[in-house]
Amino acid sequence: DAGITQSPRHKVTETGTPVTLRCHQTENHRYMYWYRQDPGHGLRLIHYSYGVKDTDKGEVSDGYSVSRSKTEDFLLTLESATSSQTSVYFCAISGGANQPQHFGDGTRLSIL
Amino acid sequence: TQLLEQSPQFLSIQEGENLTVYCNSSSVFSSLQWYRQEPGEGPVLLVTVVTGGEVKKLKRLTFQFGDARKDSSLHITAAQPGDTGLYLCAVDRGSTLGRLYFGRGTQLTVWP
Repeated sequence: DAGITQSPRHKVTETGTPVTLRCHQTENHRYMYWYRQDPGHGLRLIHYSYGVKDTDKGEVSDGYSVSRSKTEDFLLTLESATSSQTSVYFCAISGGANQPQHFGDGTRLSIL
Repeated sequence: TQLLEQSPQFLSIQEGENLTVYCNSSSVFSSLQWYRQEPGEGPVLLVTVVTGGEVKKLKRLTFQFGDARKDSSLHITAAQPGDTGLYLCAVDRGSTLGRLYFGRGTQLTVWP
């Protein structure tokens, strides 16, 4: 299995609080991605990174920010969590833009 | 409208039956990927099809890319309970950054 660790695996928090999810990889891959998965919507891309400090928005980026200060870590931050951000969040990594993406096991986030 | 339409949304069958699930679009793609996702885990890539009309086999799973590269099908022969999962198709958005767009998936349940 690709070396991807997402933390935490589960989190419950309140509306208005900041939340940071971490994706850690041991594969030294250049590309990293954050997706959210909701019933009836499949997986949707939030943000992605194509190198250290190189990030860009995906299709559902409002309310989220990301940072990548080193190759192995990609952080997803909800500045002020809302109930609509309750979801399962997946991180993926890839060795190249045309290479397969390998996914972590997800973080289940509940915002009350 | 969804870029990728997957059908059926749900499929419940008995062990030993054959089945086909579909991934359709009105757009043309350079390639298409199929993933399987099991509960509590991230999606895992099964296959990538690239050429129009291409057929790929993975044990009892047969994947076909439409001649016009707008659609794809996944056929499972003699389904087993281990085939149970969410089957997702995905396409690259056409950039060089590996940004995937996923369909909403087909949830397959195979009963013993």
